[in-house]
Amino acid sequence: GEDVEQSLFLSVREGDSSVINCTYTDSSSTYLYWYKQEPGAGLQLLTYIFSNMDMKQDQRLTVLLNKKDKHLSLRIADTQTGDSAIYFCAESGATNKLIFGTGTLLAVQP
Amino acid sequence: ETGVTQTPRHLVMGMTNKKSLKCEQHLGHNAMYWYKQSAKKPLELMFVYNFKEQTENNSVPSRFSPECPNSSHLFLHLHTLQPEDSALYLCASSQDWQDNEKLFFGSGTQLSVL
Repeated sequence: GEDVEQSLFLSVREGDSSVINCTYTDSSSTYLYWYKQEPGAGLQLLTYIFSNMDMKQDQRLTVLLNKKDKHLSLRIADTQTGDSAIYFCAESGATNKLIFGTGTLLAVQP
Repeated sequence: ETGVTQTPRHLVMGMTNKKSLKCEQHLGHNAMYWYKQSAKKPLELMFVYNFKEQTENNSVPSRFSPECPNSSHLFLHLHTLQPEDSALYLCASSQDWQDNEKLFFGSGTQLSVL
């Protein structure tokens, strides 16, 4: 079935780059997404990439897509304490429903 | 503020209690969703409503009973829950159920079942 996998935890120092990785199984996904969940809040769409692209940059965020390996990553440059949150990877599967991963907790150390 | 409001923010209930979670969206969307967020597990889709009609029930136990009286309001009625049902319950909405990729989430209700 459709599956999205992420590591559960990542710790970085303030000012460093963070790279959050995700693998997925459904090769028919049209879009792949990154959602951010801050403490005590719901998920907010952070960015997304169309499946025929291999990179998308938006200010401090860079999304890389390796469609052959079904691997998606989110790079946050110059990570700040305000970036501490849970980051969810999601794909739009064959049924057009969003399939989410477990989320990666990003802890930014001052 | 995402335009999706959930109440209560926190709920503690015993296994024999009956309680309800409420969700309201002010975005003019037609589709509403219930998700369950448990630690170390993927976000689970529970129910989908489109124009007040249920379009998805992901094999959710009958102790969870959704209700959608209109496109702006969604309830989740709870009764005889189990401790393993403790989780964050998130409501979301989108313009249309086929547009579910552009979801707007509420802040969730943190549920503890004792």
